[in-house]
Amino acid sequence: AQSVSQHNHHVILSEAASLELGCNYSYGGTVNLFWYVQYPGQHLQLLLKYFSGDPLVKGIKGFEAEFIKSKFSFNLRKPSVQWSDTAEYFCAVNREITGGGNKLTFGTGTQLKVEL
Amino acid sequence: NAGVMQNPRHLVRRRGQEARLRCSPMKGHSHVYWYRQLPEEGLKFMVYLQKENIIDESGMPKERFSAEFPKEGPSILRIQQVVRGDSAAYFCASSGTGKIEAFFGQGTRLTVV
Repeated sequence: AQSVSQHNHHVILSEAASLELGCNYSYGGTVNLFWYVQYPGQHLQLLLKYFSGDPLVKGIKGFEAEFIKSKFSFNLRKPSVQWSDTAEYFCAVNREITGGGNKLTFGTGTQLKVEL
Repeated sequence: NAGVMQNPRHLVRRRGQEARLRCSPMKGHSHVYWYRQLPEEGLKFMVYLQKENIIDESGMPKERFSAEFPKEGPSILRIQQVVRGDSAAYFCASSGTGKIEAFFGQGTRLTVV
């Protein structure tokens, strides 16, 4: 069965520190990969996505992620975090399902807290 | 706001009551997905619907849960005879035909007391 692992459940950083959140997936076929962010009390927002092409993708708010196929990984990075980045971050893998839809399998999330 | 709209945002039900959660997809989207987020867990797929059809309900509990997406009106996730374990955030997402990216609503937080 397809699964997504996020190894860091809680991360605390000081402002301006660098961030890397790990994400590994288990699925042998073609995948589409996503990082979503959920600010407190808000809906999920797409940070970035990888479908094909350049494995280094850039998203909103200075985030980027690198797809390493050989490691089944899609780690999220940001060189310098801000207090406003405090949120929960979810990695997700998508695969096509019957009827033309796309089912997302999510990791358990990483709660990031950025301290001033 | 042309985004995915869910209502209510918060819903409190007593054990044994019914809960109805509504989701209006983005304009032009005909694919709707429901996900459940239990405390301290990630989102779990429940069901995928197109207009008037359930396409994949592999994530739906076998009893008490049902979903529909009628020709007119929003998609409804219905939970009968709620129990405390149903307390969770329920998120709806929609996508367009042939599109991979799904857009999420703000969720409905169900509390069963």
